[in-house]
Amino acid sequence: GAVVSQHPSWVICKSGTSVKIECRSLDFQATTMFWYRQFPKQSLMLMATSNEGSKATYEQGVEKDKFLINHASLTLSTLTVTSAHPEDSSFYICSATQLSSGTTDNEQFFGPGTRLTVL
Amino acid sequence: GQSLEQPSEVTAVEGAIVQINCTYQTSGFYGLSWYQQHDGGAPTFLSYNALDGLEETGRFSSFLSRSDSYGYLLLQELQMKDSASYFCAVRTGFQKLVFGTGTRLLVSP
Repeated sequence: GAVVSQHPSWVICKSGTSVKIECRSLDFQATTMFWYRQFPKQSLMLMATSNEGSKATYEQGVEKDKFLINHASLTLSTLTVTSAHPEDSSFYICSATQLSSGTTDNEQFFGPGTRLTVL
Repeated sequence: GQSLEQPSEVTAVEGAIVQINCTYQTSGFYGLSWYQQHDGGAPTFLSYNALDGLEETGRFSSFLSRSDSYGYLLLQELQMKDSASYFCAVRTGFQKLVFGTGTRLLVSP
């Protein structure tokens, strides 16, 4: 199956610093990548949808200047949490959908997630 | 608004059958998916229903009734490794998913 990786798997940073999280599709080209945030024992909340070469589409209530998304290639998207604060501490998960027309477009392949802790 | 409601927790014993329900109210509907997530892990895809009826994949089956805005995931022959959180998710637009509240399944010996 399609594999999506994230780096780093966990990060601890000081309040006010910026953190970059990478999401890569390893064995396929991703038309679209999604970024989710998940607080402990809660559901996944979609933050933004990212298409290669274009600006990300953010969900209502998500600050685009705080959560910068870059989708530079068909295999890489990055999420930068700028000026992180303790309330940004969460599990950030990316997902990707395949480019191939031979696949069903109903399946998103999820990365393993990045746990961010802001002190 | 969008809402997908699931029971918060379900408990069962090994070998049993359990059903996890999902009722949804969304602005768009293309299909209902189910995902499994172990603690600290990534969600993994289990099933997808675009049309009414039952889809069977091994020990897992999923059902959808679009007229009732309702679906369920049926897990048979439960194993300890099935202890995890299960999320329903509605595909509301092109490849876009809205996730349910999640159900924590605890399987005991």
